[in-house]
Amino acid sequence: GAVVSQHPSWVICKSGTSVKIECRSLDFQATTMFWYRQFPKQSLMLMATSNEGSKATYEQGVEKDKFLINHASLTLSTLTVTSAHPEDSSFYICSARDKALPGNTIYFGEGSWLTVV
Amino acid sequence: GDSVTQMEGPVTLSEEAFLTINCTYTATGYPSLFWYVQYPGEGLQLLLKATKADDKGSNKGFEATYRKETTSFHLEKGSVQVSDSAVYFCALRSNTGGFKTIFGAGTRLFVKA
Repeated sequence: GAVVSQHPSWVICKSGTSVKIECRSLDFQATTMFWYRQFPKQSLMLMATSNEGSKATYEQGVEKDKFLINHASLTLSTLTVTSAHPEDSSFYICSARDKALPGNTIYFGEGSWLTVV
Repeated sequence: GDSVTQMEGPVTLSEEAFLTINCTYTATGYPSLFWYVQYPGEGLQLLLKATKADDKGSNKGFEATYRKETTSFHLEKGSVQVSDSAVYFCALRSNTGGFKTIFGAGTRLFVKA
């Protein structure tokens, strides 16, 4: 079964509103989580690295005030798309690094489809 | 910086044909290499991985060998099925630099019955 859970799987929101996507690690602690976005028929682009208890590290070109990331516990990171616009419609995927296992043990969530209308 | 280059798609094959999807990488140090598969409308699934040179990852009939000398990690399958139709992503992850996963552009595979 899934070891990283994302919620919601699908969300539709109105332009100008904010929407939050959760990423939870199940049965393990994740000191580091990663957020990706994927436009239709394109690859996954890393948006930011989320570290528990500290500020997220954003990739170049990603607006940190628009994509708010909070990693308040060892099992939960949230991505909030603020003042969403249609161009933010995308597939957002998180991944989580298992603290207890070798560094390369990273699990991906099943993704969240965001549609902004 | 680190990067992954994989062959462009789409790739269209008949059932039972041989599949090769090429992947090469650029990285400092000794990254781990991965192939992920994404079925329509779904998230990523890890298909196979290799963590050091000459390792062969295999799963569900798919194989890929970590070739350090050619910086390649080509995906192969001897006989594809319709159910293999999906997008395949080659990826690398450095053991340093925060464990980021860098993805290739993806290769869409269509298998016809």
